[in-house]
Amino acid sequence: GIQVEQSPPDLILQEGANSTLRCNFSDSVNNLQWFHQNPWGQLINLFYIPSGTKQNGRLSATTVATERYSLLYISSSQTTDSGVYFCAVEGAQKLVFGQGTRLTINP
Amino acid sequence: NAGVTQTPKFQVLKTGQSMTLQCAQDMNHEYMSWYRQDPGMGLRLIHYSVGAGITDQGEVPNGYNVSRSTTEDFPLRLLSAAPSQTSVYFCASSYGPPGSRNQPQHFGDGTRLSIL
Repeated sequence: GIQVEQSPPDLILQEGANSTLRCNFSDSVNNLQWFHQNPWGQLINLFYIPSGTKQNGRLSATTVATERYSLLYISSSQTTDSGVYFCAVEGAQKLVFGQGTRLTINP
Repeated sequence: NAGVTQTPKFQVLKTGQSMTLQCAQDMNHEYMSWYRQDPGMGLRLIHYSVGAGITDQGEVPNGYNVSRSTTEDFPLRLLSAAPSQTSVYFCASSYGPPGSRNQPQHFGDGTRLSIL
């Protein structure tokens, strides 16, 4: 089945810093999503981005489908950005999740 | 518009007990699914349904049953709880299966389950 790898596994930054999270996947996909799991455990859908670039405030995402990777950019990090970021891709009517990047933003 | 609603939010069971985790959505979504999340891991698919009356197994289906009698509801049943089923369970829904274009998944807030 399709494999999804995220890097780095952990990232600790100071407030105001920028960060880039990466998601590699092993096969072509029609569906790639980025989620933020906040410290309360809720999964928030950030982007649906099977290809191209999207931006939402301080967050943006780029997927290069031909090279099988996606990047999530967070600019001017805030403590509320802390949590775990997951990417997920579709494989045979199912979403396959990566193991996540744990982001900690210190004040 | 409530979205995806999971109940209960927390539950403690003894080994061997059975219970049902409830999931309901009010968005008229055809596709619904259950995941479990264990520490340090991503979400793993337990069961999914592409519509009322149709269910299928995911990556980790053993010990769990599902049924889909209505579009709105997709309950997950633990037949005989085991400590290995201690986890956080998430229900999700979308208009179509993930392979369809433009089908973002909407998640419930999760059920934290402990099996003693």
